[in-house]
Amino acid sequence: AQTVTQSQPEMSVQEAETVTLSCTYDTSENNYYLFWYKQPPSRQMILVIRQEAYKQQNATENRFSVNFQKAAKSFSLKISDSQLGDTAMYFCAFMKWEVMRFGAGTRLTVKP
Amino acid sequence: SAVISQKPSRDICQRGTSLTIQCQVDSQVTMMFWYRQQPGQSLTLIATANQGSEATYESGFVIDKFPISRPNLTFSTLTVSNMSPEDSSIYLCSGGGATDTQYFGPGTRLTVL
Repeated sequence: AQTVTQSQPEMSVQEAETVTLSCTYDTSENNYYLFWYKQPPSRQMILVIRQEAYKQQNATENRFSVNFQKAAKSFSLKISDSQLGDTAMYFCAFMKWEVMRFGAGTRLTVKP
Repeated sequence: SAVISQKPSRDICQRGTSLTIQCQVDSQVTMMFWYRQQPGQSLTLIATANQGSEATYESGFVIDKFPISRPNLTFSTLTVSNMSPEDSSIYLCSGGGATDTQYFGPGTRLTVL
């Protein structure tokens, strides 16, 4: 079974600075999908970014980018120019055959 | 993308009773799922809601306790049966394509007294 590990339970960053959240996963599959979701206190899960494993190019969405290292099974999220609204729980997720597995989450606090 | 709504948003129930949670998607989706999330923790998959057939349950979850219906490609229900305080949690549904992003509903906060 696939497992997803987020080793940073909590992180903080100053507003306007850059922060990187770590995620590793374990799988024997070659084709799969990886995601970062954000869950603010409203508890609505919001898609941040998505990466297809067959694509070598790292996904980017505005201030959010990933560093996807397939051989190392690593999928980190970089948030640039952090904003107060980025404060939330961030979940890394792995998807294969429609089933999505989540990491334990990282609670990110952006400080003014 | 898909927009997903859930009803109710929250409820307080007595032990021994049952609650049915509804999940509605604004467009047809291939897959729908139900998750449980304890406050401050990650999401645990309960089951995959299959259209036209029985749901597929994860280890630790059984149909008698969590019956699921999916009558069409835009709607699903999860019933939490014979509730106990241990069932107090947030229940989320999601929907998406077979190889696509899952979009989530806002969740249902259940408290069992």
